[in-house]
Amino acid sequence: DTGVSQDPRHKITKRGQNVTFRCDPISEHNRLYWYRQTLGQGPEFLTYFQNEAQLEKSRLLSDRFSAERPKGSFSTLEIQRTEQGDSAMYLCASSRRTGESYGYTFGSGTRLTVV
Amino acid sequence: AQKITQTQPGMFVQEKEAVTLDCTYDTSDPSYGLFWYKQPSSGEMIFLIYQGSYDQQNATEGRYSLNFQKARKSANLVISASQLGDSAMYFCAMREFSGGSNYKLTFGKGTLLTVNP
Repeated sequence: DTGVSQDPRHKITKRGQNVTFRCDPISEHNRLYWYRQTLGQGPEFLTYFQNEAQLEKSRLLSDRFSAERPKGSFSTLEIQRTEQGDSAMYLCASSRRTGESYGYTFGSGTRLTVV
Repeated sequence: AQKITQTQPGMFVQEKEAVTLDCTYDTSDPSYGLFWYKQPSSGEMIFLIYQGSYDQQNATEGRYSLNFQKARKSANLVISASQLGDSAMYFCAMREFSGGSNYKLTFGKGTLLTVNP
């Protein structure tokens, strides 16, 4: 296991459709994070899991967004009734513990385009 | 107020020369960490270097060094001997370790570095 995997890499969807993204963290990492990056901006925090528990959700995560991490392994991020403003790069990251100074390991992201 | 400010939207450097990317930050937390990430066109965020607020010496990692000036709240990234593969977006980020959300990274808007041959 060499890194954080995200699938798909790219997704084009019509407005109003539902989409689901998957993230597979590094196997020994029990902490998982989702970030969103819009064009010309740095990534913004969306949500945090410690094992299977979702411990924080940003106010950026409207009720159309839901994230899960069943069994504390992979995670999914679902967006219902997509809007054009949801177009962004969705980045997943994982870490062993929050005190670690080496930052997180990020995946390559899922780029969502809503048309 | 912006917590992380990167004032250079774009920078150009000649191959083999050094370049400094600016970052200033704003926090009242005495315990924090500063990170630099590289994001090539592929999209992945690659960790480069870390500086803790209590670290006495500036961090270095190979060709990367962090010029940490705590009183000025600046954490500039210096890349020595630039290579063509250094062309990418560079993000400065901060974690504030006190409080409940100490896992959150706050990013700046980034600087696009172009290395010219």
